[in-house]
Amino acid sequence: AQSVSQHNHHVILSEAASLELGCNYSYGGTVNLFWYVQYPGQHLQLLLKYFSGDPLVKGIKGFEAEFIKSKFSFNLRKPSVQWSDTAEYFCAVIRNTDKLIFGTGTRLQVFP
Amino acid sequence: EPEVTQTPSHQVTQMGQEVILRCVPISNHLYFYWYRQILGQKVEFLVSFYNNEISEKSEIFDDQFSVERPDGSNFTLKIRSTKLEDSAMYFCATGTDYEQYFGPGTRLTVT
Repeated sequence: AQSVSQHNHHVILSEAASLELGCNYSYGGTVNLFWYVQYPGQHLQLLLKYFSGDPLVKGIKGFEAEFIKSKFSFNLRKPSVQWSDTAEYFCAVIRNTDKLIFGTGTRLQVFP
Repeated sequence: EPEVTQTPSHQVTQMGQEVILRCVPISNHLYFYWYRQILGQKVEFLVSFYNNEISEKSEIFDDQFSVERPDGSNFTLKIRSTKLEDSAMYFCATGTDYEQYFGPGTRLTVT
């Protein structure tokens, strides 16, 4: 079955720590990849997206993600997290159609 | 910055009742979507809508569900006879060319 996997369900970090959240997908062929963030009490917001070109994508708020086609991965990174990064992070894929297929999400808690 | 809005923010209804969830898309967007998120689970696609018709729907989107743009601006999701398992956050998204912007969601509670 088509799927998007986020293996880290809950991540707890101190401020200034580095972050990497894993995302793997199970489709072959061309895919468009996204990371969305949901801050507490707020709606889903697009952090970054990959359609083609440079596999290292920079997004808002210092986030970046690297598309590694051979590993079917699109991991999210940030070199130094802040308390305000506390949120739920969702990886998502579009393939052939326009529907987003989401991973289960990773809850990030950052402590000062 | 333009935003997608949704009303109501929270709807409580009894099992078997009809509910209509409303979404106001960003004005120049042509593609419309509904997703839902049952508490503790992932966001799931329900339906996509383009050019005044459904372009794709999931297996969740059965005969109890319908969508329309009644006045050319609002985009609505109707559940004809709600079930307990319909309790979830329902997100509207609108977009152009693979980029989707999400509304704040409607929390539907079926009792």
